[in-house]
Amino acid sequence: QFQLVQSGAEVKKPGASVKVSCKASGYSFTNYDVSWVRQAPGQGLEWMGWISPYTGNTKYAQNFQGRVAMTADTSTSTAYMEMSSLRSDDTAVYYCARVGLVGYWLDPWGQGTLVTVSS
Amino acid sequence: EIVLTQSPGTLSLSPGERATLSCRASQNFNINYLVWYQQKPGQAPRLLIYGASNRAAGIPDRFSGSGSGTDFTLTISRVEPEDFAVYYCQQYYSPLTFGGGTKVEIK
Repeated sequence: QFQLVQSGAEVKKPGASVKVSCKASGYSFTNYDVSWVRQAPGQGLEWMGWISPYTGNTKYAQNFQGRVAMTADTSTSTAYMEMSSLRSDDTAVYYCARVGLVGYWLDPWGQGTLVTVSS
Repeated sequence: EIVLTQSPGTLSLSPGERATLSCRASQNFNINYLVWYQQKPGQAPRLLIYGASNRAAGIPDRFSGSGSGTDFTLTISRVEPEDFAVYYCQQYYSPLTFGGGTKVEIK
């Protein structure tokens, strides 16, 4: 059973940073990229980027370049997404998902981590 | 960047009716990279269709995907009560983008 389990909800002040974890199980962690997607309250899905746990290579969406860092720890099969300089409009549920090998589909998804940015 | 436009925004149907959801792309891309997801309130999205027409594991055969070029369709042959949800299309042609979603609601 492929599974991604994310860390718990976070409340941060504007200007702070947040780091969300995503632990994989049931498959070889280094064989698949991990993507991050966020969803603001009542809104659609926004792709943030992905990381290859095997090489450490990353690709970030333009909207997040310079403010997000994705890393992976192969010893614990855990991916991380860290975002800095948080603003109120960064309040969202952040999801990790495994990336398909051929068609770049996302499956499975983690359960999501709510990050609230509020003063 | 390829923009995906989904229509309608909301589809009001009764159980047993047929649902036809549209996803239109701003330019052509490889259909192998067209994906559909279902999302229910408070849950993560779930993969339904990949490669435009291939059902993911465990997805009932009332769900089907079709299309090519810039026009893609997700069809639910007979909507069941558990199918009322929001549906998103997604493509990968660097960068990855999602459509805005279609909500299928109970009429």
